[in-house]
Amino acid sequence: QVQLQESGPGLVKPSGTLSLTCSVSGASISSDYWWSWVRQPPGKGLEWIGEVFHTGRTNYNPSLESRVTIALDKSKNQVSLNLRSVTAADTAVYYCARGANYAWGTWGQGDLVTVSS
Amino acid sequence: EIVLTQSPGTLSLSPGERATLSCRASQSVSSIYLAWYQQRPGQAPRLLIYGASSRATGIPDRFSGSVSGTDFNLTISRLEPEDFAVYYCQLYGQQYGSSPPPMYTFGQGTKLEIK
Repeated sequence: QVQLQESGPGLVKPSGTLSLTCSVSGASISSDYWWSWVRQPPGKGLEWIGEVFHTGRTNYNPSLESRVTIALDKSKNQVSLNLRSVTAADTAVYYCARGANYAWGTWGQGDLVTVSS
Repeated sequence: EIVLTQSPGTLSLSPGERATLSCRASQSVSSIYLAWYQQRPGQAPRLLIYGASSRATGIPDRFSGSVSGTDFNLTISRLEPEDFAVYYCQLYGQQYGSSPPPMYTFGQGTKLEIK
């Protein structure tokens, strides 16, 4: 059974960098899947941030591309997200998810990150 | 960016009734790229339908998806109490004549509430 678990600092200061890790168990991130990050501001809808393939190839949401980096750590079986120059608008629950057939069948439980001084 | 418009914003029904949720794309898209999710309060989204009409693993057969042109529908044939939640459609695609690569977009959601 594949499980995803997000972890991060919970609180980030404005203009700082938001860093999250998705730990994957029950599957290898080197397998033939895309690994995505999706976020959801409190009380609002879902927004795709970007994805990484097992080869390291990435695709990003154009609205966030200049501030985002998604990468794999195969030695730890983890997927990372870095979002730079954050503002209060980046406050959200951040989910990692595993993709296939252009959809995400496996999700982490989500991690709330608040941007505040 | 392709825009997905979901309707209605809120749907009030009773258990046992039939629910039909709609999702319209701003341009013609391939149905293989359309998915539906259910999200209960405090939980992560749950994949229901992919490829517009294929049920994900473990999804009851009361959930079905269909497509007609740029209009996609999610139908719940007979509502159970656990079905009252927010539903999102999601698309992978690229705006015609646009240079950015394909991306994933979501509809704004339909809240299915108990009447």
